[in-house]
Amino acid sequence: DQQVKQNSPSLSVQEGRISILNCDYTNSMFDYFLWYKKYPAEGPTFLISISSIKDKNEDGRFTVFLNKSAKHLSLHIVPSQPGDSAVYFCAARVLGDYKLSFGAGTTVTVRA
Amino acid sequence: EPEVTQTPSHQVTQMGQEVILRCVPISNHLYFYWYRQILGQKVEFLVSFYNNEISEKSEIFDDQFSVERPDGSNFTLKIRSTKLEDSAMYFCASNPTEPIYGYTFGSGTRLTVV
Repeated sequence: DQQVKQNSPSLSVQEGRISILNCDYTNSMFDYFLWYKKYPAEGPTFLISISSIKDKNEDGRFTVFLNKSAKHLSLHIVPSQPGDSAVYFCAARVLGDYKLSFGAGTTVTVRA
Repeated sequence: EPEVTQTPSHQVTQMGQEVILRCVPISNHLYFYWYRQILGQKVEFLVSFYNNEISEKSEIFDDQFSVERPDGSNFTLKIRSTKLEDSAMYFCASNPTEPIYGYTFGSGTRLTVV
């Protein structure tokens, strides 16, 4: 299943700066997109989501942008904090489906 | 905050043995799921369960796999005859109503088949 792709396996960012994580998808039937954060030995934790009818959703330090024509979404974290160091997964679902399709994840390391 | 609880956290089993992974979803949730993540690979959907029956399953979820909600609180995944390639983290998740909002994952069970 290659429908959701995160092409950057890792990202290192200075504390206080912006982290930008990217995600591309191929299935035009996806109608809802989510970002999850995962620490070692824990399950994925929901972070933020966006419906396909929107192009931006903001929640505190986290903003997700959706470009449907490019089949691309991104997650911005501003400002980055040491506690943000984790693996971030992009996920998507087709309207009416129960399952989520995940990307491979991007490991974010925030340097002090 | 309500949690999805999974036990055990780590299970080692011999190839060919049956294994049961256990999950206690959040109490008012109606949709239940199993996902797995093989080391270094993506989180993959296995199965979803609603109203005491499977609502969707992936091609991974073959006849070796089964799910059950035996007593109204537990949700189990059984693998009848484990293979080496079944070694993975298995995540249980649950949802209150619409399949996306409030999708909550457990901490996972690491299954090692030797």
